[in-house]
Amino acid sequence: GQSLEQPSEVTAVEGAIVQINCTYQTSGFYGLSWYQQHDGGAPTFLSYNALDGLEETGRFSSFLSRSDSYGYLLLQELQMKDSASYFCAVQKQAGTALIFGKGTTLSVSS
Amino acid sequence: GAGVSQSPSNKVTEKGKDVELRCDPISGHTALYWYRQRLGQGLEFLIYFQGNSAPDKSGLPSDRFSAERTGESVSTLTIQRTQQEDSAVYLCASRSRLASEQFFGPGTRLTVL
Repeated sequence: GQSLEQPSEVTAVEGAIVQINCTYQTSGFYGLSWYQQHDGGAPTFLSYNALDGLEETGRFSSFLSRSDSYGYLLLQELQMKDSASYFCAVQKQAGTALIFGKGTTLSVSS
Repeated sequence: GAGVSQSPSNKVTEKGKDVELRCDPISGHTALYWYRQRLGQGLEFLIYFQGNSAPDKSGLPSDRFSAERTGESVSTLTIQRTQQEDSAVYLCASRSRLASEQFFGPGTRLTVL
């Protein structure tokens, strides 16, 4: 079967750094994506890794190790507005649908 | 509009009725995806369209679920003889041919009484 594991909840304070891990077991791997979803909202794309290494986009970075079937999302200089659910998602082949993890709820407090 | 739109935003129906959910993707996006999200859960893949054909329908949970896409644009997801376990938010996403990012619509919240 396919599975993606990520922590269910993470809490942090404003200004801190948080890392959300994702391990996956899928029959095929093309890329790992991260999406953010605020309560009641649509998921929005944050980052995508197809190759090993770190991708940086502003305060957010994402890392992938294909040999370890592992990735993480790093959020720096946390702000209250970063409180949301974060999903990792695997794409098994180019263009195909995403397989989502159950999501990590991040709560940022002042 | 510039983004993916879905209608209706909310749908309440009685068990056993049929419902149709509509998705208008971003113009020019060739790929279209339907997902389902139960409360507090991740997204479950339902069906994927490339143009008007559906190369992957593996996520449809039963033969009560069907979808079509016409004109490489609008897609409708039909659920026949709805059951209470069909209650969820149904999300549509579209993607341009060369991109990895999927753009999601706001979803249709379906409640089956």
